[in-house]
Amino acid sequence: SQQGEEDPQALSIQEGENATMNCSYKTSINNLQWYRQNSGRGLVHLILIRSNEREKHSGRLRVTLDTSKKSSSLLITASRAADTASYFCATDASYSGAGSYQLTFGKGTKLSVIP
Amino acid sequence: DAGITQSPRHKVTETGTPVTLRCHQTENHRYMYWYRQDPGHGLRLIHYSYGVKDTDKGEVSDGYSVSRSKTEDFLLTLESATSSQTSVYFCAIRDRKSYEQYFGPGTRLTVT
Repeated sequence: SQQGEEDPQALSIQEGENATMNCSYKTSINNLQWYRQNSGRGLVHLILIRSNEREKHSGRLRVTLDTSKKSSSLLITASRAADTASYFCATDASYSGAGSYQLTFGKGTKLSVIP
Repeated sequence: DAGITQSPRHKVTETGTPVTLRCHQTENHRYMYWYRQDPGHGLRLIHYSYGVKDTDKGEVSDGYSVSRSKTEDFLLTLESATSSQTSVYFCAIRDRKSYEQYFGPGTRLTVT
C-alpha cells in the first residue's frame, strides 16, 4: 500500500527556477525521507525530517513537514539541469523500540530541468 | 553509499530457475531491507532483517525468501523465478544513529 503520494507526477521547469514537490501521507509517522533517483540509477538519500521538525535545509534543498495536514514539500532552489531526476518521499511509521522501521514510498515526481 | 554492494548487478534467468541475490554491507548495520521497484508502483518492501537470523516479511513477500547468517550479508532468494519477478531489486540499510536508510546500487533481474 502506498503511504506517500507525490504531487505533481511530473514537473518541467527552466534552469534557474525553483521546483516544488509535495508529498501526502495517511498515518502518523516517525520521520519522512526524500530521495533522488537518476534514470536507471540507484536512490540517493537527500534529507530526513523527523515528526517533531517543521523545516530542514540542506544546500539548495528545503523540506517542510506539516503533521497536521500529513504533508511534506521539497523545494529545490535555483535548479540546474543536473537536478533532472525522479524524487521520492518515503515515510517511516515505526516508533523507537518497536516495528521494522521500514519505509513506505510514493510513486515519485519526475522533474525535468531544461537548460 | 554507506558501504553497500549488491551482486550480481544484472541477471537474466529463465522461468522456474532459482535465483539468489546478495547484499553486502561493511558497517555493521543491524537493519537490512530488500525492496523491488517497478514502473507505476514505486518501491515496495519484500523482506527485512533486524539481526542475524532475524527476518520478517514485507508487503510483497510471496515467492521470495531471505537469509541472514552474518551481519554483513543479506540474501534474497527466488525459489522458482516467474516473469512477474522481473524487476529492479534494491537492498538498503538503516543507520542506527540518523535513522536514514541508504540504498545499494540495485540488481536488474529479467526473468524470461
